[in-house]
Order: sequence, then C-alpha cells, then structure tokens
Amino acid sequence: EAGVVQSPRYKIIEKKQPVAFWCNPISGHNTLYWYRQNLGQGPELLIRYENEEAVDDSQLPKDRFSAERLKGVDSTLKIQPAELGDSAVYLCASSFLAGSYNEQFFGPGTRLTVL
Amino acid sequence: QKEVEQNSGPLSVPEGAIASLNCTYSDRGSQSFFWYRQYSGKSPELIMSIYSNGDKEDGRFTAQLNKASQYVSLLIRDSQPSDSATYLCAVRNDYKLSFGAGTTVTVRA
Repeated sequence: EAGVVQSPRYKIIEKKQPVAFWCNPISGHNTLYWYRQNLGQGPELLIRYENEEAVDDSQLPKDRFSAERLKGVDSTLKIQPAELGDSAVYLCASSFLAGSYNEQFFGPGTRLTVL
Repeated sequence: QKEVEQNSGPLSVPEGAIASLNCTYSDRGSQSFFWYRQYSGKSPELIMSIYSNGDKEDGRFTAQLNKASQYVSLLIRDSQPSDSATYLCAVRNDYKLSFGAGTTVTVRA
C-alpha cells in the first residue's frame, strides 16, 4: 500500500513569493491534515479536512495561507506571500475515520526555506 | 502549561540497554496516545498506539498509560543503534492531535 505522497520535497524561495505544496493521502483515508514542524518542535496542526470539508482551520494563518481539497482526495496548501518565519517542514498526514482511533500517517514532508 | 510535555533529552544509552521515555499531558479528557519515531531529516513514523490504562507490548517496544496520572511512557528494550532518533509523544483530544517537542535518543555502540 502506497503511503502519503507529498511534493515538492524541498523548496527555496525569496520572501514575498508564493509557494504551494501538494499532498495525496493514503488510498481510502477520508481525513487529511496539514501540519507545520519547526526545528526542535513537534508538528502543529494547520488544517484538518474530512473529505472535502475543512472541519478545523482554526490554526491556519488565513491572511497568507490557504488550502483546498476539492474532490476529497488530494490537497494543496498555499502561502502567499511567504515570510521568513514560514521556513519549516510542512507535513501532510492522513487517517481513516477521524472519530475512531485516529492513527495518523505522515508523508515525507516539504522543507521550505524562505530567504 | 504545554499540552504535552516530554522529558528533555538528549538521552544516551548503551547498546542493549533499556531506553525509558516519559510524557505527560494536561487534558484529562484525552482519548488516544501515540508514539512516533522521527529520524533526522525524515517525517514522523507511527510506532505505538495505546488507548487504555496498562501496558502494550510490540516487539522491543512497550507503551505504558496511566490516565489517572496523565502519564504515558515508552520503553525500548535491547536498544540498537538503529533506535537512535527523536521520539514524539502525541495525544488525541476529540479530533486534535497534540505533539510534544520530542526526546532525542542516542544508542552508543
């Protein structure tokens, strides 16, 4: 079974530029999560989708971040414009049935560097 | 107070010894508890899940949960150099998963 797929793996941009990350969850997983992980810290949730609905986006900085999961499968997270403080690893995770044990499986992540 | 706190590392253990990792959480209503292993430059990998009080064993790993004390631990028996990684404790409350900052373990050959 294929795991969570993310692209790109690395991205270097200058501040004020836009950037987008893509994620394809494990087949059959209806819940998708975007996390941000700063160096030396645990992942922090940005947004959670159940199917195509964003059910928790309370931690998403909505002035510059946006996300979509139009067909309830793959998802895109966008930052526009990027700031120096956005440098981090952006992780996508998926799970089956958010109301159950909620075992989440992570993709390889995208390491973003903003110069 | 942080939602999930882990004992500060790094933790250095000799090969073959037991590594003991601790985690406390603040929300008494938390429902599920997880340990992830994260190698340097890689993403977190789920290694243990525990939902009820007591011990759960999987190979060389044992997770222990005490909800009354709001405490979760992970024991790694017969530690191997390949166990050298950062271990993240994660706690689920409702639909939200909260992570600790991680404890870095180094196994000395």
